[in-house]
Amino acid sequence: DAGITQSPRHKVTETGTPVTLRCHQTENHRYMYWYRQDPGHGLRLIHYSYGVKDTDKGEVSDGYSVSRSKTEDFLLTLESATSSQTSVYFCAISALGIRDTGELFFGEGSRLTVL
Amino acid sequence: SQQGEEDPQALSIQEGENATMNCSYKTSINNLQWYRQNSGRGLVHLILIRSNEREKHSGRLRVTLDTSKKSSSLLITASRAADTASYFCATVLNQGGKLIFGQGTELSVKP
Repeated sequence: DAGITQSPRHKVTETGTPVTLRCHQTENHRYMYWYRQDPGHGLRLIHYSYGVKDTDKGEVSDGYSVSRSKTEDFLLTLESATSSQTSVYFCAISALGIRDTGELFFGEGSRLTVL
Repeated sequence: SQQGEEDPQALSIQEGENATMNCSYKTSINNLQWYRQNSGRGLVHLILIRSNEREKHSGRLRVTLDTSKKSSSLLITASRAADTASYFCATVLNQGGKLIFGQGTELSVKP
């Protein structure tokens, strides 16, 4: 299994509070991604990173920010959580750009509930 | 709107039977991938097919791609109870370079 660790795995928080999810990889892969998974919507890309300090927006980036100060860590922050951000969040990594080999390795997910 | 749409949304078969899942997409792609997700787990990559390929095999998996119809199919032969999972197609667009997932097909294989 690819060395990807997501933390926390489960979190319950209240509306308006800040939340940070962490993705840590031991594979030294260049590319990292944050997806959210919701019933009826499949997986949707929030943000991705193509290198340290290099990030870009995905399909559903509003309300989320990311940071990547080290190759191994990719942080997803909800500045002020809302109930619509209740979801399961997945981190993924890839060694090459998705046009090259495309294979993503996924973490086990972080289940976030915003009350 | 979703780039990839799987059909059917749910499929229930008996062990030993073949399972076929279809994926349709809207815009031209660089490659198309299939992933599997067991309940409560992360996704696992199964197979990638490039836009200039028509068919690929991996063990009991067979994937076809028809770019003229903008569709792909995943065939699992001689299914096993352990194949029970959700299966997702994902497309890499020629423009933008992002991986866009469909909503998945939930496969149940009964022993």
